Amino acid sequence: KNQVEQSPQSLIILEGKNCTLQCNYTVSPFSNLRWYKQDTGRGPVSLTIMTFSENTKSNGRYTATLDADTKQSSLHITASQLSDSASYICVVSFDYKLSFGAGTTVTVRA
Amino acid sequence: GAGVSQTPSNKVTEKGKYVELRCDPISGHTALYWYRQSLGQGPEFLIYFQGTGAADDSGLPNDRFFAVRPEGSVSTLKIQRTERGDSAVYLCASSLTLGAEAFFGQGTRLTVV
Repeated sequence: KNQVEQSPQSLIILEGKNCTLQCNYTVSPFSNLRWYKQDTGRGPVSLTIMTFSENTKSNGRYTATLDADTKQSSLHITASQLSDSASYICVVSFDYKLSFGAGTTVTVRA
Repeated sequence: GAGVSQTPSNKVTEKGKYVELRCDPISGHTALYWYRQSLGQGPEFLIYFQGTGAADDSGLPNDRFFAVRPEGSVSTLKIQRTERGDSAVYLCASSLTLGAEAFFGQGTRLTVV
């Protein structure tokens, strides 16, 4: 059973709108939680990295939150752009091992 | 190099054949990881190298899979007697040190027909 669950599986939003992606995990303990963006046919690229003591981390229009008590994280995309169309993957790491979620596929339409 | 480079980007092979997938990590990165990503899934851990040695190969699915990193830089993932179920994108990542941020290559898409 996957230890990192993401929802929704996919979503479609209009350009300029905001959206929030969810991640629930059971990995324990963990070193940090990461959100990656993966464009079609490309490798994942890191967006944010948070340790268990951090509640929020921003990278431009991307803001990640973490609640280590409930083992939940979210990624909020503000003022979406067409280039935001990609798969967003939640990754929980302990030491060198990364546990990946299946990802949320975001499609931004004009 | 500027980033992690994987070759080939695409590989189509017949069932039963042998394939080699190559990964050139970022220069100076001591840690190197291989992952396998099936369609619609997140990457799954295969093997991790620290320097030249395979520190953890617990993710390799069976003994048809083997990986080497003889000089502590370039790594090769080798798959013997390929099966259709081996079809996936094989991702390589490297990090400066153990547990540091991992940078991924673009992957090799392997198709076994």
